[in-house]
Amino acid sequence: DTGVSQNPRHKITKRGQNVTFRCDPISEHNRLYWYRQTLGQGPEFLTYFQNEAQLEKSRLLSDRFSAERPKGSFSTLEIQRTEQGDSAMYLCASSPRDGLYEQYFGPGTRLTVT
Amino acid sequence: DAKTTQPPSMDCAEGRAANLPCNHSTISGNEYVYWYRQIHSQGPQYIIHGLKNNETNEMASLIITEDRKSSTLILPHATLRDTAVYYCIVRASAYGNKLVFGAGTILRVKS
Repeated sequence: DTGVSQNPRHKITKRGQNVTFRCDPISEHNRLYWYRQTLGQGPEFLTYFQNEAQLEKSRLLSDRFSAERPKGSFSTLEIQRTEQGDSAMYLCASSPRDGLYEQYFGPGTRLTVT
Repeated sequence: DAKTTQPPSMDCAEGRAANLPCNHSTISGNEYVYWYRQIHSQGPQYIIHGLKNNETNEMASLIITEDRKSSTLILPHATLRDTAVYYCIVRASAYGNKLVFGAGTILRVKS
């Protein structure tokens, strides 16, 4: 399977704990995106990378959130001191080069904060 | 990005064409119309996009009105597997590459 993969698929954590999610984009896609989706809503943009550079961050991305993409390959999204409001589906997408190419989404990581 | 308006839900009989409307009356000349769908518990899936002309691919057809203020996504022979949330998005490269999703239309295909 050469699609976008995300791990883990599900994560349950207690409030206050740190969590980290991983996204492996489609090979040779230099753009990588993170979105968050809560129940009944469409996905909301969080941040995106072109290669290893983080080019845009949403105001939704509080200082408890950090994303990296070392070497321009896989990416990680870390949430520190999780809160119940962080419970959501975290989606990763990738696209080739720049411009208006379609984005290919992974299956998402569902986070539940208890 | 221009805002879009879609009906919250629609039903379609299996085997019939599903016509999903989208209003984007404030669209600018450099904004494209994109459609994605999201099947339950999966990530969104790209369907089709267009600027002015009608477009067709193996999944669907996109009809854009001449004034570009609205469009219709057509699934020619809907199947049960087409049951999903369909998102209409307008997008221009000048605004960066992020997708701005609305609430979408829940399409229920019924046998």
